[in-house]
Amino acid sequence: EAGVAQSPRYKIIEKRQSVAFWCNPISGHATLYWYQQILGQGPKLLIQFQNNGVVDDSQLPKDRFSAERLKGVDSTLKIQPAKLEDSAVYLCASSLSPYEQYFGPGTRLTVT
Amino acid sequence: AQSVTQLDSHVSVSEGTPVLLRCNYSSSYSPSLFWYVQHPNKGLQLLLKYTSAATLVKGINGFEAEFKKSETSFHLTKPSAHMSDAAEYFCVVGSARQLTFGSGTQLTVLP
Repeated sequence: EAGVAQSPRYKIIEKRQSVAFWCNPISGHATLYWYQQILGQGPKLLIQFQNNGVVDDSQLPKDRFSAERLKGVDSTLKIQPAKLEDSAVYLCASSLSPYEQYFGPGTRLTVT
Repeated sequence: AQSVTQLDSHVSVSEGTPVLLRCNYSSSYSPSLFWYVQHPNKGLQLLLKYTSAATLVKGINGFEAEFKKSETSFHLTKPSAHMSDAAEYFCVVGSARQLTFGSGTQLTVLP
């Protein structure tokens, strides 16, 4: 069974630029999550989708972050404009059951 | 609100000796608790989970954890460390269909 795919694996941008991350969940997984993991910390949930609807985006900085999950499969997370404090690993996860989440390898973002 | 506290940010053990990674949780009701492992440049992997069945939970790679309600703890143990166990370990509490992660414990295994 293929795992959760994410791209790119690494991205370096300057502050105020925009960036987008892509996630392809495990086939059949209705729930998709985006997490932000800052160096030295545990992952923090940014947004949760159930199929193509948003379940929870309470911790998403909506002035600069946006996410979509068209057709209930792939998802894209965008940051515009990026700030230095957005440097982190962005993790995508998917699940069938609420607490059994499968994580992708992450995208490491460096904002200079 | 649910939360977890990982009591050690770094733990160092010698290969072949026991591993103990400590975790305390805070929850207003009986929680679901998990341990995840993160190897460098790899995705998070579920080690084990507690969901109100047996209090001693066995996971992959010889790890186990014991849920102690009186101590609000969910410590992770392994009898004998292997070099391949070197990684970051996260204690996690589940509620409202979401996971809340601790800050992580970096495990170093010395030869």
